[in-house]
Amino acid sequence: GAGVSQSPSNKVTEKGKDVELRCDPISGHTALYWYRQSLGQGLEFLIYFQGNSAPDKSGLPSDRFSAERTGGSVSTLTIQRTQQEDSAVYLCASSLGTQNIQYFGAGTRLSVL
Amino acid sequence: GNSVTQMEGPVTLSEEAFLTINCTYTATGYPSLFWYVQYPGEGLQLLLKATKADDKGSNKGFEATYRKETTSFHLEKGSVQVSDSAVYFCALSDEEGKSTFGDGTTLTVKP
Repeated sequence: GAGVSQSPSNKVTEKGKDVELRCDPISGHTALYWYRQSLGQGLEFLIYFQGNSAPDKSGLPSDRFSAERTGGSVSTLTIQRTQQEDSAVYLCASSLGTQNIQYFGAGTRLSVL
Repeated sequence: GNSVTQMEGPVTLSEEAFLTINCTYTATGYPSLFWYVQYPGEGLQLLLKATKADDKGSNKGFEATYRKETTSFHLEKGSVQVSDSAVYFCALSDEEGKSTFGDGTTLTVKP
């Protein structure tokens, strides 16, 4: 596609519900990254994929967070039993490879009530 | 672990003033260094990058030099414009692929 696409753009959910956030990277990009940007704070690295595998999952805030990538393309970030502190903008980026320029999506704004 | 520390904001300048936003990093090996920018209402985008020591990245009048001896990648522009108002993020990607971003510096340029 023309750029990194994320859906939904906005998600409002109730505390305790599960949510799924989707990222469609730029075609041909092997690396895919997930970040969290809380209000007034910087980007918090969550996880990255090289192909379908995630070499380092240590950035995920808790075991309620998980991510997968299939076919070397689309990735899904799942948050189980959401909490209010999960409210943030979740950004996805893709690149041709690690240490290359990252192209960011517009993000998903998650609000947990 | 890796870390990126950048100058705290907000920074407010008059048009045509000189800009410096400091950035220092901690990382093992040979990371690539980046400056990303987020204009109001827009997504993050690359401003410039440098992949090895002494490389200078430049774009839109902005420059930053990869200084391994001081582990720094300070962003500079000789004459800022109102349209440069944005949030600027310093970042690194290490050889294992892990990315680390600074907290961002908000720049406001007044006419």
